[in-house]
Amino acid sequence: AQSVTQLGSHVSVSEGALVLLRCNYSSSVPPYLFWYVQYPNQGLQLLLKYTTGATLVKGINGFEAEFKKSETSFHLTKPSAHMSDAAEYFCAVNDSGGYQKVTFGTGTKLQVIP
Amino acid sequence: ETGVTQSPTHLIKTRGQQVTLRCSSQSGHNTVSWYQQALGQGPQFIFQYYREEENGRGNFPPRFSGLQFPNYSSELNVNALELDDSALYLCASSLRGVSEAFFGQGTRLTVV
Repeated sequence: AQSVTQLGSHVSVSEGALVLLRCNYSSSVPPYLFWYVQYPNQGLQLLLKYTTGATLVKGINGFEAEFKKSETSFHLTKPSAHMSDAAEYFCAVNDSGGYQKVTFGTGTKLQVIP
Repeated sequence: ETGVTQSPTHLIKTRGQQVTLRCSSQSGHNTVSWYQQALGQGPQFIFQYYREEENGRGNFPPRFSGLQFPNYSSELNVNALELDDSALYLCASSLRGVSEAFFGQGTRLTVV
């Protein structure tokens, strides 16, 4: 069975500081991994995904994540936080292949302090 | 290319009533999944439809049911509403075999 753990339900960073949101997963097979962002009263927007190949994945808005199989982690980073990055971020895993049951973490709310 | 659209955006129902939520898939997508997102939680998988048939289900009771139409649009029906059904319901469309799903803006259901 697949599962996702996001460490820290709330993270605060100063504008311009490094953003690091942590995600660990559990999967019985090589997983597909995702990061989604959700702004208030909005749906989910895909930031980036890992399927196969290069373990460092670049996404939209300057975000990137690294798949580390040995640590079962997929942490999200951004070198310099912007006010517009304030939102809730969800890590998700899919180990079902074409059957797309995606399991989400409980989310991390990012606050950016001016 | 149109995205995933859901209707209505908000609605309020009384406990015991029935509700139907609608979703139009992104152009070219043949698979639709529904998720329930309770306040302060991550989305929970309800079920998925492919070729008009249910293709997997999460831990939700049978009073949660769905349909997929030939044009790949979909409905989520919930019978005998309970207070705990209050949540944001998200629809996601995708192309079978491709990992990426695109989400709609959601329908906020409040049960009173």
